[in-house]
Amino acid sequence: QQPVQSPQAVILREGEDAVINCSSSKALYSVHWYRQKHGEAPVFLMILLKGGEQKGHEKISASFNEKKQQSSLYLTASQLSYSGTYFCGTSQGGSEKLVFGKGTKLTVNP
Amino acid sequence: GAGVSQSPSNKVTEKGKDVELRCDPISGHTALYWYRQSLGQGLEFLIYFQGNSAPDKSGLPSDRFSAERTGGSVSTLTIQRTQQEDSAVYLCASTVGVNQPQHFGDGTRLSIL
Repeated sequence: QQPVQSPQAVILREGEDAVINCSSSKALYSVHWYRQKHGEAPVFLMILLKGGEQKGHEKISASFNEKKQQSSLYLTASQLSYSGTYFCGTSQGGSEKLVFGKGTKLTVNP
Repeated sequence: GAGVSQSPSNKVTEKGKDVELRCDPISGHTALYWYRQSLGQGLEFLIYFQGNSAPDKSGLPSDRFSAERTGGSVSTLTIQRTQQEDSAVYLCASTVGVNQPQHFGDGTRLSIL
């Protein structure tokens, strides 16, 4: 039931792009994305609901393919501040429970 | 306004002791979640409350773990007879409703000696 995130880690240079994937073996109703910096609490990025609508703003966006039961987070022209661990959390219809993946550690270097 | 507040921020205790972790959610948030995060690991769901009721307790690891919420506000997570494997950061999050952003507290870092 735990979603699988890939890659587990990625290292970028400032200005490069990255894609983080989140896949589930179960039918999904929603996908939530959070970023956690070392020693800090996770911070909300965005929620995608069943329907495949792409969301986001400026350089961070995400898509949700309900047929494939997967979501992707797109980070373009990365900045140093993007460094952290990204978690996807998924929910199934009728449940308020979120199950989080193990995270993707993103490091952006100058 | 104030965010989610958790106390204590750090707790060191001996194996076998009981501990209580407290979470003060954002005012007006009806749903409250508890997660556990071990070193370098993801967020492990423990329990969530809608008001004072806990519709899903499926993540509690054993009967040594319990939680309650009173007045639709403050929640307490209690771990009895602590074991070394209970060492982790315990995070609390609150939200206004289903599929709304969860706001996390800074967590309680629990260390069992």
